[in-house]
Amino acid sequence: SQKIEQNSEALNIQEGKTATLTCNYTNYSPAYLQWYRQDPGRGPVFLLLIRENEKEKRKERLKVTFDTTLKQSLFHITASQPADSATYLCALDIGAAGNKLTFGGGTRVLVKP
Amino acid sequence: GAVVSQHPSRVICKSGTSVKIECRSLDFQATTMFWYRQFPKQSLMLMATSNEGSKATYEQGVEKDKFLINHASLTLSTLTVTSAHPEDSSFYICSAPGEGVETQYFGPGTRLLVL
Repeated sequence: SQKIEQNSEALNIQEGKTATLTCNYTNYSPAYLQWYRQDPGRGPVFLLLIRENEKEKRKERLKVTFDTTLKQSLFHITASQPADSATYLCALDIGAAGNKLTFGGGTRVLVKP
Repeated sequence: GAVVSQHPSRVICKSGTSVKIECRSLDFQATTMFWYRQFPKQSLMLMATSNEGSKATYEQGVEKDKFLINHASLTLSTLTVTSAHPEDSSFYICSAPGEGVETQYFGPGTRLLVL
């Protein structure tokens, strides 16, 4: 069966350090993978999209890698700040029309000052 | 960026009543919208795809007679939870594809509590 796994344990990190989150998937061949941020009681907010033919994507302090052989994406927050504290979700398209996404369980990040 | 709104943001109702949740795309048109449900400390689970002018398509295990979806215009989709029960209490979130289609713009969510 298809699965998307993210580290369910919260990631506690000191301000200024780099947070690295992992998204592993099985039985998928996604054309792209996305990362979203979700704050408590709010809807997810799109952060980055990386396509299957891209190895790495950057946006400000965020970096995403995508290894289709390992079936894994890594999400990095460099120079982390307390405002980066949130839950981060990875999502894959499941190939259906209209951009149907399936989400991982999310990893909660807590950046301590 | 594109904005999606939801109304109400929070609703409390008695068991057996029906609740309607609206999802609007404020500055763009959406022929497709998606409805998700999220239980505490869990991820988003896709419930159904709302299609403007045609029937919604539901994910496996989601009762279409219980969760009625109407996509009457290019900017509005509604989800009606019929005969709500306490187990329907959850966070309901809608989304609509953006210009690039791949990305999704999410609404702020609706917290439903059924007593």
